[in-house]
Amino acid sequence: DTGVSQDPRHKITKRGQNVTFRCDPISEHNRLYWYRQTLGQGPEFLTYFQNEAQLEKSRLLSDRFSAERPKGSFSTLEIQRTEQGDSAMYLCASSFAGSYNEQFFGPGTRLTVL
Amino acid sequence: KQEVTQIPAALSVPEGENLVLNCSFTDSAIYNLQWFRQDPGKGLTSLLLIQSSQREQTSGRLNASLDKSSGRSTLYIAASQPGDSATYLCAVPSNSGYALNFGKGTSLLVTP
Repeated sequence: DTGVSQDPRHKITKRGQNVTFRCDPISEHNRLYWYRQTLGQGPEFLTYFQNEAQLEKSRLLSDRFSAERPKGSFSTLEIQRTEQGDSAMYLCASSFAGSYNEQFFGPGTRLTVL
Repeated sequence: KQEVTQIPAALSVPEGENLVLNCSFTDSAIYNLQWFRQDPGKGLTSLLLIQSSQREQTSGRLNASLDKSSGRSTLYIAASQPGDSATYLCAVPSNSGYALNFGKGTSLLVTP
């Protein structure tokens, strides 16, 4: 499978716990994005990497959120001290610079905070 | 900030009908527009990408048009099938050029 993969697909946690999600982009893609989607809404941008550099962060990305992309390959998104409002689908996408930035999405990680 | 609106929010049609989904955006200085499909509880599947220099893009029974000057795009689905039932989302690049701004989507139900 050469698409974007995300792990885990589902995560249930208790309020106050830390969670970490992983995204593996399409292998030749140098750009990677994280989005969050709540029920009935379109995805909202969180952050963007080009290679290993985090170039843009949304105001939605509070201090409890941190993202990394070591070596410009896979990426992780960590949420510390989760709150019930963090419950959402977390989507990862990747693109190749020069391809008109067409973004391809993974299956998402569904987070439920109890 | 780029705002994206999709009309209608929901649509139900009998199988075989042709249909049009609408997308409008506030800032016409875009370099492309993407249409996606999302099945319940799943990720997004890219359907079509229209470059700013193009007016139309076709893939099978799907045809997307782009009118930058009026800030509008349409997705035309010909001969709809029950398998087309899903939420359709349009997205345009943000002012930074990298992040995508999405509409809330049109939820389509095609009945047999």
